[in-house]
Amino acid sequence: AQSVAQPEDQVNVAEGNPLTVKCTYSVSGNPYLFWYVQYPNRGLQFLLKYITGDNLVKGSYGFEAEFNKSQTSFHLKKPSALVSDSALYFCAVRDADNFNKFYFGSGTKLNVKP
Amino acid sequence: ETGVTQTPRHLVMGMTNKKSLKCEQHLGHNAMYWYKQSAKKPLELMFVYNFKEQTENNSVPSRFSPECPNSSHLFLHLHTLQPEDSALYLCASSQEVAGGIETQYFGPGTRLLVL
Repeated sequence: AQSVAQPEDQVNVAEGNPLTVKCTYSVSGNPYLFWYVQYPNRGLQFLLKYITGDNLVKGSYGFEAEFNKSQTSFHLKKPSALVSDSALYFCAVRDADNFNKFYFGSGTKLNVKP
Repeated sequence: ETGVTQTPRHLVMGMTNKKSLKCEQHLGHNAMYWYKQSAKKPLELMFVYNFKEQTENNSVPSRFSPECPNSSHLFLHLHTLQPEDSALYLCASSQEVAGGIETQYFGPGTRLLVL
């Protein structure tokens, strides 16, 4: 079975500092991994995805994520956080056997303080 | 905006009411999804439609009834709901291609409160 885990309910970081939002996954085949962001009263917005290729994936708004196969992780990172990055972040994995199914984590609330 | 709209944005209903949620996508996609988002829980996939055909029903109670009249519209009909059904209901769409891993685009959601 496919699943993702986001071990932190909340991450606090000061503006200008680097940020990391953690995600670990469990899949039976090749992992197809995604990050989404949700701002208040909005739906989820796609940030980036890993299908194959370079382990460092660059996405929207200056975010990037590092795929680590040995640690089964796909952590989201940004070198310098902005207050406007404060939102709810979801990691997701797509079922390798059933492309119709995504499995989402429970979300991590990122708070960036000025 | 993502090209996926949902109406209404907020809905309050009693347990004996019947209501419907509407989703429309303007992206030309061929797959549409309903998700339930409850606080501090993973998004729960409810239903998937590919080319207007339901391909996934994730053990959803029959008080939730989806309808997909065409590839641009998706409805979720609600009847005799329970208070624990209160949540944010998200619609998403994607363009499914053979062997492809395509991104889902989400609507803003309908915040449902069942009294």
